[in-house]
Amino acid sequence: EAGVAQSPRYKIIEKRQSVAFWCNPISGHATLYWYQQILGQGPKLLIQFQNNGVVDDSQLPKDRFSAERLKGVDSTLKIQPAKLEDSAVYLCASSLGNLAETDTQYFGPGTRLTVL
Amino acid sequence: AQSVAQPEDQVNVAEGNPLTVKCTYSVSGNPYLFWYVQYPNRGLQFLLKYITGDNLVKGSYGFEAEFNKSQTSFHLKKPSALVSDSALYFCAVRDRGRDDKIIFGKGTRLHILP
Repeated sequence: EAGVAQSPRYKIIEKRQSVAFWCNPISGHATLYWYQQILGQGPKLLIQFQNNGVVDDSQLPKDRFSAERLKGVDSTLKIQPAKLEDSAVYLCASSLGNLAETDTQYFGPGTRLTVL
Repeated sequence: AQSVAQPEDQVNVAEGNPLTVKCTYSVSGNPYLFWYVQYPNRGLQFLLKYITGDNLVKGSYGFEAEFNKSQTSFHLKKPSALVSDSALYFCAVRDRGRDDKIIFGKGTRLHILP
């Protein structure tokens, strides 16, 4: 079974530039998550999709971050414009559903973003 | 509000010795609890979870964790450590019965010394 795919693996940009990350979840997984992991901290949930609908985006900085999951499969996360404090690893995860019994999340390798 | 604490930034254990990585939590209801491991340059991998039932949960790679409701803890354990267990370990909690997000601890780096 293929895992969660993310691209690119690394990205370096200047502040105020834009950047986009892509995620392809495990086939059949209804729930998709985007996390931000700053160095030395645990992952922080940015947004959670159930199929193509948003379940939770309470911690997404909506003035600069946006995400979409068209057709309930792939997802993109965009930052526009980027700030220095956005430097982090962006993790995508997927799970079968939103019940605890199926709530095991499977993570992609992440995208390491450096904002200069 | 729910929270999770991993009080140790780093744990050093000699190979072959038992290991424990500590985790305590705070939720308003009953918890779902998870352990994940992160190897360098890789995403998080699921180790085990407590949903209900037996307080001792067995997971991947010989790891286990014990849910202790009175102490609000979910410590990760392994009877005999391997050098390959060296990694970053994250505890996570979700409040059962509420539609709350999963909250991750800050992580504990485990060093297994040869």
